[in-house]
Amino acid sequence: RKEVEQDPGPFNVPEGATVAFNCTYSNSASQSFFWYRQDCRKEPKLLMSVYSSGNEDGRFTAQLNRASQYISLLIRDSKLSDSATYLCVVNGGGGSQGNLIFGKGTKLSVKP
Amino acid sequence: NAGVTQTPKFQVLKTGQSMTLQCAQDMNHEYMSWYRQDPGMGLRLIHYSVGAGITDQGEVPNGYNVSRSTTEDFPLRLLSAAPSQTSVYFCASRPRADTGELFFGEGSRLTVL
Repeated sequence: RKEVEQDPGPFNVPEGATVAFNCTYSNSASQSFFWYRQDCRKEPKLLMSVYSSGNEDGRFTAQLNRASQYISLLIRDSKLSDSATYLCVVNGGGGSQGNLIFGKGTKLSVKP
Repeated sequence: NAGVTQTPKFQVLKTGQSMTLQCAQDMNHEYMSWYRQDPGMGLRLIHYSVGAGITDQGEVPNGYNVSRSTTEDFPLRLLSAAPSQTSVYFCASRPRADTGELFFGEGSRLTVL
């Protein structure tokens, strides 16, 4: 099982739609979880951290299920500017708990 | 506010040549790392450092060397470039090894012919 798995998409949705991305991770000792956003030919940037109680930032909601080792990201009222690749990120690989392991990303395309 | 600065942004090498990708951060971060990103493979960790004088291997270290003589700088050396090292390389830093947001440089696109 890969360390961090995501559906690659692409997800093609109309403006205003609600879209959800899922991610599973294999290391049960992981303690830190994030969603990063990467625009085409740009560097990844932090979208939001994911907390055990779930957290919301405007139109974005992140959830964590430790028992199932599953993270989700919900985007409501999609905008054209939300088009990007969304990376699920978990700590714990490469010999150090501090190292962040990235999923391959889920591509979102929001159409007018 | 510079953040993480990588140079060069683009480079073309011939097989067997060596080169160094430079990375500098001005945020006094303890943790620095190098990733490579290839189509369909996602970001993979090459090497990382939890502080000056300390480096360690990540998932794909072969063919690369690093050093961390100062807190600010974390250069990545390609010893003898191979076409398989054609990739986009990202340097990233965070305040401590286990805390905080990971900040990325803008990336370096390397082509090995």
